[in-house]
Amino acid sequence: EIVLTQSPGTLSLSPGERATLSCRASQSVSNRNLAWYQQEPGQAPRLLIYDASSRATGIPDRFSGSGSATDFTLTISRLEPGDFAVYYCQQYGSSPGTFGPGTKVDIK
Amino acid sequence: EVQLEESGGGSVQPGGSLRLSCAASGFTFSSYAMSWIRQAPGKGLEWVSTISGTGGSINYADSVKGRFTISRDNSRNTLYLQMSNLRADDTAMYYCAKQRAQWLSDYYEYWGQGTLVAVSS
Repeated sequence: EIVLTQSPGTLSLSPGERATLSCRASQSVSNRNLAWYQQEPGQAPRLLIYDASSRATGIPDRFSGSGSATDFTLTISRLEPGDFAVYYCQQYGSSPGTFGPGTKVDIK
Repeated sequence: EVQLEESGGGSVQPGGSLRLSCAASGFTFSSYAMSWIRQAPGKGLEWVSTISGTGGSINYADSVKGRFTISRDNSRNTLYLQMSNLRADDTAMYYCAKQRAQWLSDYYEYWGQGTLVAVSS
């Protein structure tokens, strides 16, 4: 089973700042099969990025994904109020698919 | 518009059973694999089980294998999770999710709002 590690655990930033979130895998993720989700308090997760760098339908272009093999990054170019949430990565290149523990982005 | 609506959660004693349902609309249900994912209070996401569009292929997490059964009724556009021999560590919000296509290992395009299962004596 591939174990995902996310860093930092918490990221404290101000609106308008850039957020850089990291997801590292214990083994190479095949075919860049990595997704990112956003979860606001009390809400279900929402797909942001799939296949490491493709934005899901309706996701603004301030969200971008990059990386390959064992190192992946989610970047939010300019934080807006609704972006303060928890972000999870998920690999689906190997069964079982696994989630990272999450990064919380909160307001500084 | 894709909609997923879970139901069937509630409070149950250890060793008890529950059946969760997920009513789907807005897409051709039988063409997509579907999954259950859970989230314990204050914790992260944990995949539980996936079923292919036809129902012919199924996977379970080791933590629920032998106790939970996933199924689907494509004529009713409904996904199910039969949970038995429930334990305290099964307490969680249970989400159903639609995958991108038929294959079992994939990302989760759409999520329902979840149904809460609480296992306690």
